[in-house]
Amino acid sequence: GESVGLHLPTLSVQEGDNSIINCAYSNSASDYFIWYKQESGKGPQFIIDIRSNMDKRQGQRVTVLLNKTVKHLSLQIAATQPGDSAVYFCAENIGNTDKLIFGTGTRLQVFP
Amino acid sequence: DTGVSQNPRHKITKRGQNVTFRCDPISEHNRLYWYRQTLGQGPEFLTYFQNEAQLEKSRLLSDRFSAERPKGSFSTLEIQRTEQGDSAMYLCASSFRGSGEKLFFGSGTQLSVL
Repeated sequence: GESVGLHLPTLSVQEGDNSIINCAYSNSASDYFIWYKQESGKGPQFIIDIRSNMDKRQGQRVTVLLNKTVKHLSLQIAATQPGDSAVYFCAENIGNTDKLIFGTGTRLQVFP
Repeated sequence: DTGVSQNPRHKITKRGQNVTFRCDPISEHNRLYWYRQTLGQGPEFLTYFQNEAQLEKSRLLSDRFSAERPKGSFSTLEIQRTEQGDSAMYLCASSFRGSGEKLFFGSGTQLSVL
């Protein structure tokens, strides 16, 4: 099928800790993945992307890991801050298509 | 502001009425997408345009839905004879073909059908 899902619907972390948000995908033909952050009342905001020929990509305070063997994607946020509180979505693009398919999201809550 | 712009931000309508939403993409982007999002769910693909051509429509897009992008710039999404099940956030996104599949989203139009 063409499904993208998340293991945890809600993740609570203490400010300053690292956060890890996980995502499973089922379509082995997917060749491009994106993480989006969505705050209340706003549209999804691009965080980081990765292509299937890579297994790791780093940005500012964020790292995306891709394990194609088990069809697993994760987003790591270092030194989580209150401003990181939002819903995070992973999305996949299946080869030869022109649209992103989104999972259901994980809510990240950061407490002091 | 050079991001994706959507109007109106909120729309409340009665069941059976027609509504129209507008999206202005990032100016140099030639691809424009419409997604629908309900509470607690990820965005669901509805349709997309390459310039003025509508290249794909989801099965979610019933006959009551129509989207246009007449000059390859802004786009409109119309819903006829609205139903309560149409209540959702309607998101527009744009991208530039050739730079990857990364989509830039607007803030959406929240539709409530009473």
